[in-house]
Amino acid sequence: DTEVTQTPKHLVMGMTNKKSLKCEQHMGHRAMYWYKQKAKKPPELMFVYSYEKLSINESVPSRFSPECPNSSLLNLHLHALQPEDSALYLCASSLKLGDRTNGYTFGSGTRLTVV
Amino acid sequence: SQQGEEDPQALSIQEGENATMNCSYKTSINNLQWYRQNSGRGLVHLILIRSNEREKHSGRLRVTLDTSKKSSSLLITASRAADTASYFCATSAHSTLTFGKGTMLLVSP
Repeated sequence: DTEVTQTPKHLVMGMTNKKSLKCEQHMGHRAMYWYKQKAKKPPELMFVYSYEKLSINESVPSRFSPECPNSSLLNLHLHALQPEDSALYLCASSLKLGDRTNGYTFGSGTRLTVV
Repeated sequence: SQQGEEDPQALSIQEGENATMNCSYKTSINNLQWYRQNSGRGLVHLILIRSNEREKHSGRLRVTLDTSKKSSSLLITASRAADTASYFCATSAHSTLTFGKGTMLLVSP
Protein backbone atom coordinates (compact mmCIF):
# COMPACT_ATOMS: atom_id res chain seq x y z
CA ASP A 1 0.00 0.00 0.00
CA THR A 2 1.58 3.26 -1.13
CA GLU A 3 -1.26 5.64 -0.45
CA VAL A 4 -2.48 8.15 2.06
CA THR A 5 -6.26 7.94 2.37
CA GLN A 6 -8.29 10.92 3.50
CA THR A 7 -11.95 10.94 4.41
CA PRO A 8 -14.31 12.54 3.72
CA LYS A 9 -13.44 14.00 0.32
CA HIS A 10 -15.91 16.83 0.80
CA LEU A 11 -17.38 18.31 3.98
CA VAL A 12 -19.84 21.13 4.54
CA MET A 13 -20.28 22.21 8.14
CA GLY A 14 -21.93 24.99 10.06
CA MET A 15 -20.03 27.25 12.40
CA THR A 16 -21.45 25.49 15.45
CA ASN A 17 -20.75 21.96 14.25
CA LYS A 18 -18.09 19.54 15.39
CA LYS A 19 -16.56 17.33 12.71
CA SER A 20 -13.41 15.32 12.17
CA LEU A 21 -11.14 14.74 9.22
CA LYS A 22 -9.39 11.40 8.98
CA CYS A 23 -6.13 10.33 7.43
CA GLU A 24 -4.68 6.84 7.16
CA GLN A 25 -1.47 5.33 5.80
CA HIS A 26 -0.03 1.83 5.97
CA MET A 27 3.44 2.50 4.59
CA GLY A 28 5.14 2.41 7.98
CA HIS A 29 5.77 6.15 7.82
CA ARG A 30 6.44 7.63 11.26
CA ALA A 31 5.90 11.30 10.42
CA MET A 32 2.49 12.66 9.49
CA TYR A 33 1.42 16.17 8.58
CA TRP A 34 -1.64 18.37 8.19
CA TYR A 35 -1.51 21.14 5.60
CA LYS A 36 -4.12 23.75 4.73
CA GLN A 37 -4.41 25.06 1.19
CA LYS A 38 -6.52 28.00 0.05
CA ALA A 39 -7.45 28.41 -3.61
CA LYS A 40 -4.52 29.34 -5.86
CA LYS A 41 -2.14 29.32 -2.88
CA PRO A 42 0.55 26.87 -1.77
CA PRO A 43 -0.05 24.39 1.06
CA GLU A 44 0.68 25.79 4.50
CA LEU A 45 1.86 23.56 7.32
CA MET A 46 -0.45 23.23 10.32
CA PHE A 47 0.75 20.29 12.44
CA VAL A 48 3.46 17.66 12.44
CA TYR A 49 3.42 14.35 14.28
CA SER A 50 6.51 12.24 14.75
CA TYR A 51 6.18 8.78 16.28
CA GLU A 52 2.60 9.64 17.30
CA LYS A 53 3.69 12.70 19.25
CA LEU A 54 2.90 16.27 18.28
CA SER A 55 6.17 17.76 17.13
CA ILE A 56 5.18 21.04 15.49
CA ASN A 57 2.13 23.26 15.83
CA GLU A 58 2.39 26.24 13.48
CA SER A 59 0.39 28.53 15.78
CA VAL A 60 -2.88 27.05 14.58
CA PRO A 61 -6.08 28.28 16.34
CA SER A 62 -7.43 25.94 19.00
CA ARG A 63 -10.59 25.33 16.98
CA PHE A 64 -8.37 22.87 15.08
CA SER A 65 -7.35 19.94 17.27
CA PRO A 66 -5.09 17.19 15.90
CA GLU A 67 -4.91 13.66 17.20
CA CYS A 68 -2.70 10.70 16.34
CA PRO A 69 -4.27 7.55 17.84
CA ASN A 70 -1.63 5.22 16.38
CA SER A 71 1.15 5.13 13.82
CA SER A 72 -1.28 4.72 10.90
CA LEU A 73 -3.98 7.24 11.75
CA LEU A 74 -4.13 11.00 11.98
CA ASN A 75 -7.27 12.96 12.78
CA LEU A 76 -8.10 16.64 12.69
CA HIS A 77 -10.99 17.62 14.93
CA LEU A 78 -12.88 20.75 13.94
CA HIS A 79 -15.04 22.87 16.21
CA ALA A 80 -16.57 26.33 15.91
CA LEU A 81 -14.90 27.04 12.59
CA GLN A 82 -15.22 30.28 10.66
CA PRO A 83 -16.06 30.70 6.96
CA GLU A 84 -12.45 31.74 6.33
CA ASP A 85 -11.39 28.24 7.41
CA SER A 86 -12.90 26.89 4.20
CA ALA A 87 -10.02 25.30 2.31
CA LEU A 88 -8.50 22.05 1.07
CA TYR A 89 -7.01 20.14 4.00
CA LEU A 90 -4.19 17.86 3.01
CA CYS A 91 -2.65 15.05 4.99
CA ALA A 92 0.83 13.81 4.18
CA SER A 93 3.31 11.30 5.53
CA SER A 94 7.01 10.65 5.27
CA LEU A 95 9.32 7.89 6.38
CA LYS A 96 10.49 9.96 9.31
CA LEU A 97 10.70 13.59 10.35
CA GLY A 98 13.56 15.29 8.60
CA ASP A 99 13.99 12.50 6.03
CA ARG A 100 16.50 13.88 3.54
CA THR A 101 16.17 11.31 0.80
CA ASN A 102 12.48 10.75 0.24
CA GLY A 103 9.56 13.01 -0.47
CA TYR A 104 6.18 13.21 1.17
CA THR A 105 3.16 11.14 0.18
CA PHE A 106 0.01 13.24 0.11
CA GLY A 107 -3.61 12.24 0.34
CA SER A 108 -6.20 13.63 -2.07
CA GLY A 109 -7.43 16.08 0.53
CA THR A 110 -10.72 17.04 2.15
CA ARG A 111 -12.50 20.02 0.58
CA LEU A 112 -14.01 21.81 3.59
CA THR A 113 -16.71 24.46 3.33
CA VAL A 114 -17.82 26.29 6.46
CA VAL A 115 -21.24 27.95 6.17
CA SER B 1 6.86 31.12 6.18
CA GLN B 2 7.15 30.74 2.45
CA GLN B 3 10.55 29.83 1.14
CA GLY B 4 10.36 29.12 -2.59
CA GLU B 5 9.18 31.46 -5.27
CA GLU B 6 8.30 29.96 -8.65
CA ASP B 7 8.62 31.69 -11.95
CA PRO B 8 6.60 32.03 -14.10
CA GLN B 9 3.29 32.05 -12.24
CA ALA B 10 1.58 30.63 -15.32
CA LEU B 11 2.86 28.97 -18.46
CA SER B 12 0.91 28.01 -21.57
CA ILE B 13 2.51 25.78 -24.24
CA GLN B 14 1.60 23.36 -27.02
CA GLU B 15 1.91 19.61 -26.76
CA GLY B 16 5.38 18.43 -27.67
CA GLU B 17 7.08 21.62 -26.46
CA ASN B 18 9.33 21.78 -23.42
CA ALA B 19 8.26 23.54 -20.23
CA THR B 20 10.72 25.17 -17.86
CA MET B 21 9.82 26.38 -14.40
CA ASN B 22 12.16 28.13 -11.99
CA CYS B 23 12.26 28.28 -8.22
CA SER B 24 14.23 30.59 -5.98
CA TYR B 25 14.63 30.25 -2.23
CA LYS B 26 16.15 32.23 0.60
CA THR B 27 17.88 30.05 3.18
CA SER B 28 20.15 27.02 3.26
CA ILE B 29 18.44 23.74 2.42
CA ASN B 30 18.95 20.00 2.81
CA ASN B 31 17.09 19.21 -0.37
CA LEU B 32 14.62 20.68 -2.83
CA GLN B 33 11.60 18.80 -4.11
CA TRP B 34 9.10 19.31 -6.92
CA TYR B 35 5.44 18.34 -6.66
CA ARG B 36 2.53 18.34 -9.10
CA GLN B 37 -1.07 19.10 -8.18
CA ASN B 38 -4.02 18.44 -10.47
CA SER B 39 -7.19 20.50 -10.08
CA GLY B 40 -6.72 21.33 -6.38
CA ARG B 41 -6.40 17.71 -5.28
CA GLY B 42 -3.47 16.01 -3.58
CA LEU B 43 0.13 16.72 -4.41
CA VAL B 44 2.26 14.14 -6.15
CA HIS B 45 5.97 13.97 -5.44
CA LEU B 46 7.94 14.22 -8.68
CA ILE B 47 11.61 14.44 -7.82
CA LEU B 48 14.01 15.29 -4.99
CA ILE B 49 17.44 16.82 -5.44
CA ARG B 50 19.86 17.00 -2.55
CA SER B 51 21.87 20.09 -1.72
CA ASN B 52 25.09 18.41 -2.90
CA GLU B 53 23.62 17.47 -6.29
CA ARG B 54 23.52 19.73 -9.31
CA GLU B 55 21.29 17.85 -11.74
CA LYS B 56 18.87 14.96 -11.65
CA HIS B 57 16.74 13.20 -14.24
CA SER B 58 13.58 11.15 -13.97
CA GLY B 59 11.85 10.17 -17.20
CA ARG B 60 10.88 13.40 -18.99
CA LEU B 61 11.85 15.50 -15.97
CA ARG B 62 15.16 17.25 -15.49
CA VAL B 63 15.89 19.21 -12.33
CA THR B 64 18.87 21.45 -11.70
CA LEU B 65 19.98 23.02 -8.45
CA ASP B 66 22.35 25.95 -7.99
CA THR B 67 22.91 26.45 -4.28
CA SER B 68 25.16 29.47 -4.87
CA LYS B 69 22.24 31.26 -6.54
CA LYS B 70 19.64 29.56 -4.32
CA SER B 71 17.67 28.51 -7.36
CA SER B 72 16.33 25.40 -9.09
CA SER B 73 14.67 24.66 -12.39
CA LEU B 74 12.30 21.94 -13.52
CA LEU B 75 12.28 21.02 -17.20
CA ILE B 76 9.51 18.86 -18.61
CA THR B 77 10.41 17.65 -22.08
CA ALA B 78 7.98 16.71 -24.85
CA SER B 79 5.01 17.91 -22.83
CA ARG B 80 1.59 16.25 -23.01
CA ALA B 81 -1.90 17.53 -22.29
CA ALA B 82 -1.85 15.32 -19.18
CA ASP B 83 1.01 17.44 -17.80
CA THR B 84 -1.48 20.28 -17.27
CA ALA B 85 -1.30 20.96 -13.54
CA SER B 86 0.19 23.25 -10.91
CA TYR B 87 3.83 22.61 -10.06
CA PHE B 88 5.32 23.51 -6.69
CA CYS B 89 8.86 23.53 -5.49
CA ALA B 90 9.35 22.75 -1.82
CA THR B 91 12.43 23.25 0.29
CA SER B 92 13.52 21.14 3.20
CA ALA B 93 15.69 23.04 5.64
CA HIS B 94 15.16 21.56 9.08
CA SER B 95 12.50 18.96 9.48
CA THR B 96 9.56 20.07 7.33
CA LEU B 97 8.73 21.16 3.81
CA THR B 98 7.90 24.71 2.84
CA PHE B 99 6.18 25.23 -0.50
CA GLY B 100 6.61 27.98 -3.06
CA LYS B 101 3.72 29.76 -4.75
CA GLY B 102 3.63 27.39 -7.69
CA THR B 103 3.49 27.57 -11.49
CA MET B 104 0.28 26.74 -13.34
CA LEU B 105 1.14 24.86 -16.52
CA LEU B 106 -1.38 24.54 -19.35
CA VAL B 107 -0.49 22.19 -22.19
CA SER B 108 -2.79 22.50 -25.18
CA PRO B 109 -3.31 19.63 -27.63
